[in-house]
Amino acid sequence: TQLLEQSPQFLSIQEGENLTVYCNSSSVFSSLQWYRQEPGEGPVLLVTVVTGGEVKKLKRLTFQFGDARKDSSLHITAAQPGDTGLYLCAGDPENSGYALNFGKGTSLLVTP
Amino acid sequence: NAGVTQTPKFQVLKTGQSMTLQCAQDMNHNSMYWYRQDPGMGLRLIYYSASEGTTDKGEVPNGYNVSRLNKREFSLRLESAAPSQTSVYFCASSRLLGRHGYTFGSGTRLTVV
Repeated sequence: TQLLEQSPQFLSIQEGENLTVYCNSSSVFSSLQWYRQEPGEGPVLLVTVVTGGEVKKLKRLTFQFGDARKDSSLHITAAQPGDTGLYLCAGDPENSGYALNFGKGTSLLVTP
Repeated sequence: NAGVTQTPKFQVLKTGQSMTLQCAQDMNHNSMYWYRQDPGMGLRLIYYSASEGTTDKGEVPNGYNVSRLNKREFSLRLESAAPSQTSVYFCASSRLLGRHGYTFGSGTRLTVV
């Protein structure tokens, strides 16, 4: 069951632009994680958010967890070609004792 | 480098053949997972092992079996491969279930003809 909906599915922008990727659900999560995956490789963890309303920054990337812990966003400032990749959100449903549930991902292409 | 090692990286099988995908981690993680990734479908959980000695079904377990051989190793077996099992398979591990981040292997690209 796909609990997490990511939007947009595809995003093609030019270097220097800003963008936001969304991860939404009707379920409550104990935590949400963001991963980046490059072609031919496995996903790599970027960040974990656990508290409603939490904001974390990783250089030009800003991650926010919704107040109700049902959604999250990833904002990239001044995108660079090195940001190109598939961005995946993954959630740990509250009280589930289960493995992470992944969204389908947002494929980002940043052109020079 | 510490991490998750998957073998093989590529495999082509004929329908009906069997094979085992191997996965090993050297981070002393308790939990291990097998996912498959298909275009437009995202990552879907096949099986997971919360700790050594336990295994549980995920979202798409049919046609697969797993073995948690020890704390380090978690294998995935296809007993009779079908074209629908053509996919990229990822093994991952984490310290525990829940909010702990996953470390993924680099994947096995499997084609069933």
